[in-house]
Amino acid sequence: NAGVTQTPKFRVLKTGQSMTLLCAQDMNHEYMYWYRQDPGMGLRLIHYSVGEGTTAKGEVPDGYNVSRLKKQNFLLGLESAAPSQTSVYFCASGHPRAWGTEAFFGQGTRLTVV
Amino acid sequence: GNSVTQMEGPVTLSEEAFLTINCTYTATGYPSLFWYVQYPGEGLQLLLKATKADDKGSNKGFEATYRKETTSFHLEKGSVQVSDSAVYFCALIRQAGTALIFGKGTTLSVSS
Repeated sequence: NAGVTQTPKFRVLKTGQSMTLLCAQDMNHEYMYWYRQDPGMGLRLIHYSVGEGTTAKGEVPDGYNVSRLKKQNFLLGLESAAPSQTSVYFCASGHPRAWGTEAFFGQGTRLTVV
Repeated sequence: GNSVTQMEGPVTLSEEAFLTINCTYTATGYPSLFWYVQYPGEGLQLLLKATKADDKGSNKGFEATYRKETTSFHLEKGSVQVSDSAVYFCALIRQAGTALIFGKGTTLSVSS
């Protein structure tokens, strides 16, 4: 049982390049999330999904796109990378409950845009 | 809107010292509250949670009590260890909500 797996773990991009971050979960969770972590800013929600085929914007969605074609996968795309997107990206998943949900996190992807 | 405020770090303690990390929240209704821990180079792990007022969450010697009257969820441990050195995040989610809202995190450094 791998939980939440993110690929790649590290990546360096040049400004203007594109890339896709992949998140896979094997817990059959309905909800999936992409957060970014920056020093002094905590975790900020980029996009999230409440089920296969659905996506929604979070707090900081600009410059990113997402897709959830399969329940177990949630892709985060950067179409034209900018230095401001240098960050550590975390994927998480969760199961809806009456009181909310607790999220299970992947190990993170450290992205540097030069 | 909903938000979480944590005490700023870093917090530096000697082994066996008492730990308190303050967390207060702003939310409508009755959110659920969480503490997550992030060890160096790793993702976040759930440390403890409380889903209703006056609940006490506990795990690995850490405790936090959901205080609705003071909108607080302070994290405490009676005797910290070097292995507790990490970043601690307080978070909330609205009742039946879909996404966690995190505080900015507090770095704890414990020396022997």
